[in-house]
Amino acid sequence: EAQVTQNPRYLITVTGKKLTVTCSQNMNHEYMSWYRQDPGLGLRQIYYSMNVEVTDKGDVPEGYKVSRKEKRNFPLILESPSPNQTSLYFCASSTRSRNVSIEQFFGPGTRLTVL
Amino acid sequence: AQSVTQLGSHVSVSEGALVLLRCNYSSSVPPYLFWYVQYPNQGLQLLLKYTTGATLVKGINGFEAEFKKSETSFHLTKPSAHMSDAAEYFCAVRFQGAQKLVFGQGTRLTINP
Repeated sequence: EAQVTQNPRYLITVTGKKLTVTCSQNMNHEYMSWYRQDPGLGLRQIYYSMNVEVTDKGDVPEGYKVSRKEKRNFPLILESPSPNQTSLYFCASSTRSRNVSIEQFFGPGTRLTVL
Repeated sequence: AQSVTQLGSHVSVSEGALVLLRCNYSSSVPPYLFWYVQYPNQGLQLLLKYTTGATLVKGINGFEAEFKKSETSFHLTKPSAHMSDAAEYFCAVRFQGAQKLVFGQGTRLTINP
């Protein structure tokens, strides 16, 4: 089954404790992206990747890191989490047409709480 | 700045009634337009999209949307609401020359029996 998977689905942690949220897709998509969802703000893009070893900042990249060493995986790293990073996080992937990402497929989400 | 606006953070309709969720975007150049649905504790699922061609787009679950360039709108409709339509709906836009999707704030749809 074609899908985007994220782990963990739920995470409670404390301020400053490094964490990684994994994202994997099995559709051979080139484009991958991370979003955070907050009430009243919709989804905002954190980072995206056009291909292996190619990443770029989205609208809200502060406090986050990403890497794209393999096509299928795009982990999100919080080196020193803070309470304002408490949110619902989504990973997405898509194919590209004429170098533009088209329809995006979303993972199930990771609900992160930073105490 | 390029933006997407969904009018009404909450919409409530009766079962069997018309569903109308509004989305407007700020751009003079036609972008790519999407509607996604999010059921409780789930990710986003694509309902429908407009890229080029016919301006009336049909999606899954009986939903459709019409791209109106003159109004810079892409409103989502369904003739007859079903209880299973209760969810949060997001309009998303890919503006010309951009890679990212810009999302509206979301509209929570409630269906009354």
